[in-house]
Amino acid sequence: NAGVTQTPKFRVLKTGQSMTLLCAQDMNHEYMYWYRQDPGMGLRLIHYSVGEGTTAKGEVPDGYNVSRLKKQNFLLGLESAAPSQTSVYFCASNKGGISGRAYNEQFFGPGTRLTVL
Amino acid sequence: AQSVTQLDSHVSVSEGTPVLLRCNYSSSYSPSLFWYVQHPNKGLQLLLKYTSAATLVKGINGFEAEFKKSETSFHLTKPSAHMSDAAEYFCVVSSNDQAGTALIFGKGTTLSVSS
Repeated sequence: NAGVTQTPKFRVLKTGQSMTLLCAQDMNHEYMYWYRQDPGMGLRLIHYSVGEGTTAKGEVPDGYNVSRLKKQNFLLGLESAAPSQTSVYFCASNKGGISGRAYNEQFFGPGTRLTVL
Repeated sequence: AQSVTQLDSHVSVSEGTPVLLRCNYSSSYSPSLFWYVQHPNKGLQLLLKYTSAATLVKGINGFEAEFKKSETSFHLTKPSAHMSDAAEYFCVVSSNDQAGTALIFGKGTTLSVSS
């Protein structure tokens, strides 16, 4: 049981390049999330998904797109990277609740450190 | 809307002395509250969580937190600090009533432990 895994662990991009970050979970969780972590800011939600085929915007969605084609995977895309997107990106998942309440603890991946030059 | 405020950005203690990391929350609904820890260059690990059961919550590594509704607080404590406790700690709130709602993180408290 690997939990939540993220690919790649590190990446350096030039401004304007595109890339996709992959998150995978093997816990059969319904809900998945993408956060970014910046110094002194805590973690901020980019996008989330409450099930296969669904996505929704979080607090800081601009410049990012996501897809949840399979229940176990949640992809985060940067179409045209900017230096402001230099950050550490964390994926998380939780099993969700019977009535849709996402109150259970979230399980986090190890993070992807992205630098945009 | 939910929010969380960690009252100290940095706390320094000596090994063997008590730890207190302060957190106040704001929530329109009955909240779930969490403390996560992040060691340098690592991911986040759940320390403990409150989900409307007992108000005093015990977590891993000797940490505990008390939910005080009247004070809207959820402070994290440990009787005796260890060097390995040096890390960043996040207080987190989640609403029980909104489907798919993600966690709202505080800005973090860095705990330093000196020998």
